[in-house]
Amino acid sequence: GQNIDQPTEMTATEGAIVQINCTYQTSGFNGLFWYQQHAGEAPTFLSYNVLDGLEEKGRFSSFLSRSKGYSYLLLKELQMKDSASYLCAVRDSGYSTLTFGKGTMLLVSP
Amino acid sequence: EPEVTQTPSHQVTQMGQEVILRCVPISNHLYFYWYRQILGQKVEFLVSFYNNEISEKSEIFDDQFSVERPDGSNFTLKIRSTKLEDSAMYFCASSAGGIDTQYFGPGTRLTVL
Repeated sequence: GQNIDQPTEMTATEGAIVQINCTYQTSGFNGLFWYQQHAGEAPTFLSYNVLDGLEEKGRFSSFLSRSKGYSYLLLKELQMKDSASYLCAVRDSGYSTLTFGKGTMLLVSP
Repeated sequence: EPEVTQTPSHQVTQMGQEVILRCVPISNHLYFYWYRQILGQKVEFLVSFYNNEISEKSEIFDDQFSVERPDGSNFTLKIRSTKLEDSAMYFCASSAGGIDTQYFGPGTRLTVL
């Protein structure tokens, strides 16, 4: 089984940098995904880590430490449109399904 | 850019009725999924489908649920006798391979009265 923890809510200011943490406890591991979800909409893929280290994609970066069961999503140069829920999801080894955390609601203010 | 599509966007039904939710996965993808999200809760896996059969399913996916790929493009989720607690947003997703990124459709909001 999987247990995935993320903070419930975070607030930040436009133009700032924010880091959203995710910890997981799993019986197996075959990748960690970050999705963005605006209210009432579908999750949109942001990034994927399967090996330790940092993956950078424009304003978004994601980090993984498998030994610590820890990941973070880093958002730079925050914009108002970044206000959304950010979902951490883990894929178990040998399975293709994703187990999602409850999501972190990020509110970006002017 | 290819995307997953779902119909209808919103379905209202009476308790005990059957509903069919439809999805068109990305055309060259081979793995298909259904997830659901009850309002205010996390996204939950229901079922995955590959090579015309279910490959994995969760405890939620009981005998009231079934999936089908009736033709080369559609992927459907049927709920035989809906319950109030089936009210949720249902998301279809697809991926090229079993370990590839899953792309989600816009969802169908199911309301059971």
